[in-house]
Amino acid sequence: GDSVTQMEGPVTLSEEAFLTINCTYTATGYPSLFWYVQYPGEGLQLLLKATKADDKGSNKGFEATYRKETTSFHLEKGSVQVSDSAVYFCALRGAQGGSEKLVFGKGTKLTVNP
Amino acid sequence: DSGVTQTPKHLITATGQRVTLRCSPRSGDLSVYWYQQSLDQGLQFLIQYYNGEERAKGNILERFSAQQFPDLHSELNLSSLELGDSALYFCASSARILSSYNEQFFGPGTRLTVL
Repeated sequence: GDSVTQMEGPVTLSEEAFLTINCTYTATGYPSLFWYVQYPGEGLQLLLKATKADDKGSNKGFEATYRKETTSFHLEKGSVQVSDSAVYFCALRGAQGGSEKLVFGKGTKLTVNP
Repeated sequence: DSGVTQTPKHLITATGQRVTLRCSPRSGDLSVYWYQQSLDQGLQFLIQYYNGEERAKGNILERFSAQQFPDLHSELNLSSLELGDSALYFCASSARILSSYNEQFFGPGTRLTVL
């Protein structure tokens, strides 16, 4: 079945550092790919998405590019802020069938220190 | 605020008991999804309803059941609770089915603790 593997944390960075969180997937066909963020005590929020190969999703300075050849969707940000401290989840929605369920990675906890 | 509400926020109960978690989707959303977030299993899809009908099932135990009512709110029933059922249960809703840009909006979750 479909699966997502993402870099496990925790990741600790200093403010203004460069962030990369790796994510690879296994799926049939062309899934849609997502990054969700979970701030402490809150539900998940969609950070960005890409629905086809070579699409780049971007939001709030975060970017991820859908790479079909490497089945990857790595999250990057050039300069992190303390407010980016959260848990980040890579997810996919399969291309097969009518279900729209999301398959999530384990999550990566990011802590940004001032 | 995603517009999805879940009650209660916290629930503490004992093994063997039964609980009901409630979810109200965003106004106009027809699909409701339930997910379980636990330390060992991560975030897992449980079940999806669309306009009152079950649409898809994931790793949902037979002790668990759900339904979606005519007003589109949904309830997740967990029975014969075990310690391992302690987790954060999320509800999400989305507007349409069979759409490529069908974002799921998540509620704040219900934290269940089984003692």
